[in-house]
Amino acid sequence: DAKTTQPNSMESNEEEPVHLPCNHSTISGTDYIHWYRQLPSQGPEYVIHGLTSNVNNRMASLAIAEDRKSSTLILHRATLRDAAVYYCILRDDYNTGKLIFGQGTTLQVKP
Amino acid sequence: DTAVSQTPKYLVTQMGNDKSIKCEQNLGHDTMYWYKQDSKKFLKIMFSYNNKELIINETVPNRFSPKSPDKAHLNLHINSLELGDSAVYFCASSTSSGRVTDTQYFGPGTRLTVL
Repeated sequence: DAKTTQPNSMESNEEEPVHLPCNHSTISGTDYIHWYRQLPSQGPEYVIHGLTSNVNNRMASLAIAEDRKSSTLILHRATLRDAAVYYCILRDDYNTGKLIFGQGTTLQVKP
Repeated sequence: DTAVSQTPKYLVTQMGNDKSIKCEQNLGHDTMYWYKQDSKKFLKIMFSYNNKELIINETVPNRFSPKSPDKAHLNLHINSLELGDSAVYFCASSTSSGRVTDTQYFGPGTRLTVL
């Protein structure tokens, strides 16, 4: 399984944008990049996913490098509710659906 | 309406006991999963069922036995509980197994404490 590397922790101020990086230098051509987050005392929740092009949804944006060896999850205006552990996960056709979680990035949002 | 629900939310029990955790999803999904999150917060897949058929069985002790009576339910039975089984167990579901664009929906977790 291809691996991802994320910073252990990041801090942000409320209402400011947050850029959460993820390195995946061994990504293969068919790997999708998924992001999930886990709010305190809750189960993980899906945030966004992409393959090659940048993606936007109501929660966040995903910027994927041209060589696909890194990606950035962008929260446009962080709120206190966005404080969570953010996981960058690679998925391919052969993993039978399982999500392989790394350590993730713990995001703290300061008021 | 809760999409993926688990019972109980908390479970405290003695070593050697047998216990079950129940999971139900009302999303009409075909695939359900069990994940374990240990004290260091690492989340790891344990099992996956697709339409009541086991498709993922990671290296989990055979004291753990999943049971899927129908595709909306996936229960986890644990025999002879050990201290190391203490963790938070999450159930999840998705529309299919293996499709790389599928989203998994997680339950709120069951915190199991073995004394």
